[in-house]
Amino acid sequence: DAGVIQSPRHEVTEMGQEVTLRCKPISGHDYLFWYRQTMMRGLELLIYFNNNVPIDDSGMPEDRFSAKMPNASFSTLKIQPSEPRDSAVYFCASSFPGGALNEQFFGPGTRLTVL
Amino acid sequence: QKEVEQDPGPLSVPEGAIVSLNCTYSNSAFQYFMWYRQYSRKGPELLMYTYSSGNKEDGRFTAQVDKSSKYISLFIRDSQPSDSATYLCAPTRGAQKLVFGQGTRLTINP
Repeated sequence: DAGVIQSPRHEVTEMGQEVTLRCKPISGHDYLFWYRQTMMRGLELLIYFNNNVPIDDSGMPEDRFSAKMPNASFSTLKIQPSEPRDSAVYFCASSFPGGALNEQFFGPGTRLTVL
Repeated sequence: QKEVEQDPGPLSVPEGAIVSLNCTYSNSAFQYFMWYRQYSRKGPELLMYTYSSGNKEDGRFTAQVDKSSKYISLFIRDSQPSDSATYLCAPTRGAQKLVFGQGTRLTINP
């Protein structure tokens, strides 16, 4: 199994530009999570889906952020317009009920830099 | 007050030392207590977990929970340079949503 796949691995963009981060969860996992990690705030949950439906988006910082999951094998996190304070590592994770305590499997992350 | 508090460190110890990593939490509904390990420029991976209070041992690692004081600990015996990583505690009620501590960055010096 290839694990959770994220793309791109690195993204450098200028303030005001649209950024789209992509995630392919592990096949058979029906939960998908988007996190943001910074030195100051640690690992924060932004949103999570169950069977492609958003369950909790209370961690999405503001309307500039949006996430979709059009099918079981693909999700996107979009930032429009991007700002320097959005610079962080964004992780996608997936899990399935009945696994070891709902263990979440993380992707390698996308390192975003907004200039 | 944050739901989970964890000293971010950094913590640096010599090889072979016993390491103690700790978290406190405020939500008494938490029943499962997970520890994730994150190597540099990688995603976190589940290291081990405990249920309710008590100890759980896995090789050189011991996880300990004291629900009366809402205190979580991870001990590493005979620490190795390969243990150098960030350790994140993540208590949960058993639902899918995890609340992570800020993570403690640990370096084991040869």
